[in-house]
Amino acid sequence: EAGVTQSPTHLIKTRGQQATLRCSPISGHTSVYWYQQALGLGLQFLLWYDEGEERNRGNFPPRFSGRQFPNYSSELNVNALELEDSALYLCASRFIEWVGETQYFGPGTRLLVL
Amino acid sequence: GDSVTQMEGPVTLSEEAFLTINCTYTATGYPSLFWYVQYPGEGLQLLLKATKADDKGSNKGFEATYRKETTSFHLEKGSVQVSDSAVYFCALYGQNFVFGPGTRLSVLP
Repeated sequence: EAGVTQSPTHLIKTRGQQATLRCSPISGHTSVYWYQQALGLGLQFLLWYDEGEERNRGNFPPRFSGRQFPNYSSELNVNALELEDSALYLCASRFIEWVGETQYFGPGTRLLVL
Repeated sequence: GDSVTQMEGPVTLSEEAFLTINCTYTATGYPSLFWYVQYPGEGLQLLLKATKADDKGSNKGFEATYRKETTSFHLEKGSVQVSDSAVYFCALYGQNFVFGPGTRLSVLP
């Protein structure tokens, strides 16, 4: 079974540009979470999509947005890029079982803003 | 709200040393508890999990026991290897997923 996939693996942009990051969850998983991991820091929750709807968002400005497609893949868009947006962006999909839920992560997209 | 606290790193050990990374949590009810590992340049991988009190999760020689009375889920390994060098994240799922800040482990040959 394929895991969570993300593309691209690396992305280099300049300040003010827009970045689009993509994520495909594990087959059968309907929820996608996005996290930002700045260098040397922990995970900061960005967005949660489930069944095509945005369910929750973290404490990030509106220029961070996204969507989930009918096949449950997801895009994260970052507009008006700033230098501090340089980070590893991680996507996770959620497996639900009777005892609870587990998140499975993709390899991440490393975004560098120059 | 729910929260996870981990021991601050970095933790530096010699190969074959015993490892403990402390994790405590605050949550209402009975959350599921997780340890994730992040190797350099990679995403997070699920290492182990426990879903109820006194459960022991184990994988690749790592173990952690869900202690409800002390609200803890400490990660242990009897003999670490250089290849265990990574960042380890403790996490819980109660009403939401909550991750700890991570603990960097360096194992020296």
